[in-house]
Amino acid sequence: DAGITQSPRHKVTETGTPVTLRCHQTENHRYMYWYRQDPGHGLRLIHYSYGVKDTDKGEVSDGYSVSRSKTEDFLLTLESATSSQTSVYFCATMAGGDTQYFGPGTRLTVL
Amino acid sequence: QQQVKQSPQSLIVQKGGISIINCAYENTAFDYFPWYQQFPGKGPALLIAIRPDVSEKKEGRFTISFNKSAKQFSLHIMDSQPGDSATYFCAAGFMDTGRRALTFGSGTRLQVQP
Repeated sequence: DAGITQSPRHKVTETGTPVTLRCHQTENHRYMYWYRQDPGHGLRLIHYSYGVKDTDKGEVSDGYSVSRSKTEDFLLTLESATSSQTSVYFCATMAGGDTQYFGPGTRLTVL
Repeated sequence: QQQVKQSPQSLIVQKGGISIINCAYENTAFDYFPWYQQFPGKGPALLIAIRPDVSEKKEGRFTISFNKSAKQFSLHIMDSQPGDSATYFCAAGFMDTGRRALTFGSGTRLQVQP
């Protein structure tokens, strides 16, 4: 599992509240990614990072922001959660090759 | 905009049979085509991958066939086993240049019946 942990693993929140999901890695991988997984859509890239403080948007970035102040941590923030952001969120990392390693996922429910 | 289209959505195969999952892509600049396997409650894991300079790659019972001119690639699972029951995702990405990120297909749920 490339030493990836995600926290929390499960969260239920209400519409309009801020939410932060954390991804922590122990392998010193340069690249980190946040995906969301929804039925019928596969995995869709939200944001990714190619180094500390270097981030860029993915295909479904609206309503999400990220930060990476340390190599090992990549935070995903929903500034004001909406029901459409109910999903399973996966963090992934990649070293210098081309294999992405995925974390165990966070199941987020927005009521 | 769906750049990678995957079919079928679900697949039921008998033990010992061949499972075939297909993907088509649009962007000819993609330079990396992996397949990921996901079991319930787990994150996806890389199964096998191919670069566009080869037409086939085999690893054990798993084979990727790649058709560059048709912009299609497929996963073949030979001698399918109940333990292969999982969701499979194809993907395409840019690994040599640019963002080094993947675009995934919508997934295929494979069920191998004993």
